[in-house]
Parts: sequence; C-alpha cells; structure tokens
Amino acid sequence: QVQLVQSGAEVKKPGASVKVSCKASGYTFTSYGISWVRQAPGQGLEWMGWISAYNGNTNYAQKLQGRVTMTTDTSTSTAYMELRSLRSDDTAVYYCARRGDSSGFDYWGQGTLVTVSS
Amino acid sequence: SYELTQPPSVSVSPGQTARITCSGDALPKQYAYWYQQKPGQAPVLVIYKDSERPSGIPERFSGSSSGTTVTLTISGVQAEDEADYYCQSADSSGTYEFGGGTKLTVL
Repeated sequence: QVQLVQSGAEVKKPGASVKVSCKASGYTFTSYGISWVRQAPGQGLEWMGWISAYNGNTNYAQKLQGRVTMTTDTSTSTAYMELRSLRSDDTAVYYCARRGDSSGFDYWGQGTLVTVSS
Repeated sequence: SYELTQPPSVSVSPGQTARITCSGDALPKQYAYWYQQKPGQAPVLVIYKDSERPSGIPERFSGSSSGTTVTLTISGVQAEDEADYYCQSADSSGTYEFGGGTKLTVL
C-alpha cells in the first residue's frame, strides 16, 4: 500500500533552516511528483511547491521563492523540503503528498510540526 | 496567482444534503479537487478532476462544475462527515492554489 512517512517534529530559532524528509513506499517513486503543503495553527492549507521525482523539475509558490528548496533521492525514494531564514510565521504542520498528473494529491504524509521560536 | 473562494461554514442536519461551493476565474479551464480534513489528521482527497471519486470514498460524495463555480455535494450527510473541506485547482504552469476552506457542521 502507498505510504508517505515524514520525519519528526522540529523546533528552530528564527533565522535557522529546517529540512523535512518524506519517505515513499508502495509505488514507483519516479512515476509521480511530490508536493509540499503547510498549515499554520488554526489556518487553512497553503501549497508550497512540488517536485517531479522523475526529473527533479520544481515549481515553487511565489511567496516562498528563494527560501525553499525541494529535492529527491531516488535511491531511497525520499523527498526533502528545506526552508531557510525561518520566521515565527513559518510555524506550521508541513505535509508531503503524492501528486499525479490529473489525480490530485492522492496520498499524504502524517505531517511534521515545525515550531519557530526564540 | 489566482484565488479560490469558499464559504467559511455550512451547516446541515443528518440525512440532508450539503453543498459546498468554490469559485474562481480559472475553474472553467482547470480541474478542481476536493479534500476533507478532520481535526488532527492529514487531508484526504474526496473528489478529483471535478467529479471523479477515488476508490474508498463513499458514493454520497459527488462533485460538479458550472462555469467559474465547482460544487462538492454530500448526500445523506452523516455525523462522520463533519470536517473542513478544501477545494484546489492549478493553473497551466502547475502552480496550485487552495480555497480558504469550509467548515461543515452536522447539527
């Protein structure tokens, strides 16, 4: 069965960086993209960007351009999302999700809480 | 970027039909997707490509599209359907957007 398992919770200071991992199993990793979505406490879903696991092409949300980098390691079927220059308003649960061409985000990771606090 | 607009809340009694709308200028040209999110859980895809239902999603969930508005319909609402619902679409470059979310309350 398809599973996306994310790394554990993180606490970071303002200005630091965080790197969240998302290990996929149960399907051919390179046949789908991985998208990243975050949700601040009590708020809605915010799309951050996605990466093609096939060729590494990326598409980032404009508001995060320059601070976010998404990568994949096809040898371990793992996707990574790094966010730099963290601010308090980056505090959120970060989700990875499998992206199909027209099938939407059909499988999601369990979420990773990133807390940014001095 | 573009915007998707949803009502903040919808309330229905058990057994009735709930309709949640999502409006956006890009919707006539792009597919819409719907996600259900219960407290403390990851979102779950309930509708894709405007009206397709993933395997395992109950038949009472359906989607439709008309012009700049897409609608998620839940027929015969059950208590377990109480959740936040988000619409989503993408532009031609693969940039995605979520609606602000609608809290469905089952009275």
